[in-house]
Amino acid sequence: AAGVIQSPRHLIKEKRETATLKCYPIPRHDTVYWYQQGPGQDPQFLISFYEKMQSDKGSIPDRFSAQQFSDYHSELNMSSLELGDSALYFCASSLRGAGGSNQPQHFGDGTRLSIL
Amino acid sequence: SQQGEEDPQALSIQEGENATMNCSYKTSINNLQWYRQNSGRGLVHLILIRSNEREKHSGRLRVTLDTSKKSSSLLITASRAADTASYFCATEGGSSGDKLTFGTGTRLAVRP
Repeated sequence: AAGVIQSPRHLIKEKRETATLKCYPIPRHDTVYWYQQGPGQDPQFLISFYEKMQSDKGSIPDRFSAQQFSDYHSELNMSSLELGDSALYFCASSLRGAGGSNQPQHFGDGTRLSIL
Repeated sequence: SQQGEEDPQALSIQEGENATMNCSYKTSINNLQWYRQNSGRGLVHLILIRSNEREKHSGRLRVTLDTSKKSSSLLITASRAADTASYFCATEGGSSGDKLTFGTGTRLAVRP
């Protein structure tokens, strides 16, 4: 079965640079979520999209932005990168539908971002 | 901010033994989900239990949910070395919408 695809798997950047992370959800899933997991930490919600519209926003810095495109893939754009942005970034997708929640979220393998 | 606390933080058992992990949360929920994460890898969905359910089984996994105590437990029976991973509970719903709020995780080590 198709899973959530994230690219790149690893990314090394320097401070103040920009980065773009990509996510391809499971086909026919209508909702995409982004999470950040720092070293030894639990994942923290950043932002989500339902049917290409932003549906919820968490602890996402103003330096970050995201969007979901017509083909349902999503991109997380990060600017003015800081050392503290080093983390695993996960994308997840689910089939929420009009009924709302109670659907499992399926996670990609993540992008490991390292800031030098 | 963390919704849940998990205990224990770390658990080491012998292959064949059972492992029990507990999770507590603070707000009302629609469901609670358990995920497994191997080191540095993605989160694998294990099981989802809705707020109106009390117990659910999937293979060697058994999950309970007590909404009056705002707690859940994950039992892995007849553990295997391949079960070695971190296990997270995550809640969805209530005032949090459909995003997941994760607990702190339990690191399980199963000795062969």
